[in-house]
Amino acid sequence: EPEVTQTPSHQVTQMGQEVILRCVPISNHLYFYWYRQILGQKVEFLVSFYNNEISEKSEIFDDQFSVERPDGSNFTLKIRSTKLEDSAMYFCASRGDSSYEQYFGPGTRLTVT
Amino acid sequence: GQNIDQPTEMTATEGAIVQINCTYQTSGFNGLFWYQQHAGEAPTFLSYNVLDGLEEKGRFSSFLSRSKGYSYLLLKELQMKDSASYLCAVRDPYTGTASKLTFGTGTRLQVTL
Repeated sequence: EPEVTQTPSHQVTQMGQEVILRCVPISNHLYFYWYRQILGQKVEFLVSFYNNEISEKSEIFDDQFSVERPDGSNFTLKIRSTKLEDSAMYFCASRGDSSYEQYFGPGTRLTVT
Repeated sequence: GQNIDQPTEMTATEGAIVQINCTYQTSGFNGLFWYQQHAGEAPTFLSYNVLDGLEEKGRFSSFLSRSKGYSYLLLKELQMKDSASYLCAVRDPYTGTASKLTFGTGTRLQVTL
């Protein structure tokens, strides 16, 4: 069964450093999303991406965040200068054209020290 | 905006039936999802309701009443592996086809012997 994959599974970085989280969505999907979940809290929407551009972004997704689809398979989330409060699990999700179900990847646990 | 309420925790016995409720107050509605999330893992899709009524899928059923802003997830013949968090999520009607999901805080279900 096709699945969303994410790398790395765990990333530790120092405050102020840049990180890039990588995702490979399901191959025929058209809609891509990033969500995050701070430990013990709810899943929060960050950004959606469709037709090679951002469709919507939340208040969390400020100028420190960016997304890119550099080729036909990868979808990345970059945080330019990480803060302690960016520590969270980051989930990538994708959706096809024929249903509204979003498929989530296994997540990247980001720890900012 | 969207406000989604679920009980924080529930406990049930193996083999029993449990009902997890979700109420939502939104300025618009375009479908409700239930996801299962085991600790440290990604949310996995369980059900999607957009019309009123009951949708049954094996041991899991989901009900929606749009006029009451209410949904429930019914789990029958509980198994130990059903111990997880159950997330209610509403699909945003205003963001075009990319449509983000807004999640509740989740209900942590503990299944005991």
